[in-house]
Amino acid sequence: GAVVSQHPSRVICKSGTSVKIECRSLDFQATTMFWYRQFPKKSLMLMATSNEGSKATYEQGVEKDKFLINHASLTLSTLTVTSAHPEDSSFYICSANPPTGTYEQYFGPGTRLTVT
Amino acid sequence: DAKTTQPTSMDCAEGRAANLPCNHSTISGNEYVYWYRQIHSQGPQYIIHGLKNNETNEMASLIITEDRKSSTLILPHATLRDTAVYYCIVRDPGTASKLTFGTGTRLQVTL
Repeated sequence: GAVVSQHPSRVICKSGTSVKIECRSLDFQATTMFWYRQFPKKSLMLMATSNEGSKATYEQGVEKDKFLINHASLTLSTLTVTSAHPEDSSFYICSANPPTGTYEQYFGPGTRLTVT
Repeated sequence: DAKTTQPTSMDCAEGRAANLPCNHSTISGNEYVYWYRQIHSQGPQYIIHGLKNNETNEMASLIITEDRKSSTLILPHATLRDTAVYYCIVRDPGTASKLTFGTGTRLQVTL
């Protein structure tokens, strides 16, 4: 199956700083990628849809100025958590759609963010 | 996307078949049934999907009722490594591609 990677896998940052998380599709091009957030013992919640070459589409209640998404190439999308606070501590997961004709969505391994 | 209903948790003995049910009574004609699972602290993993026919792959079998209002994921010989949260999702792949995750079923495989 297609491979999606994330970097870093784990990050600890101080309150008020910004953190960038990368999501890469390793063996396919993805015009669309998705960013999810998951709190402990909870399900995945979609934050935004990342579109290559255009602005991301954010879900209701997600602050676009706080969670900056850039999808500058067909294999890379980045999520920047700006001015992070402890309540932003979570597991962030990206996913990508393979080229047209397949139905699966492939997920990255996730990034554990801890804000102190 | 239509909503799904799954039991919160299930137990299964290692080596036995694990049957995970899902209700999706409001599924529309173009929506497929997808199953993903998430092992602790990892990203979700695709398992299988189907429209109306039963499907089987190397991981599992998917049984969809004739009226498509429910389905069952079958892991034929569960192992400890199958312990995970299993998500049943309905989605029309021809429209918006986002997946909406419910609460899933936490499957615990025991010795």
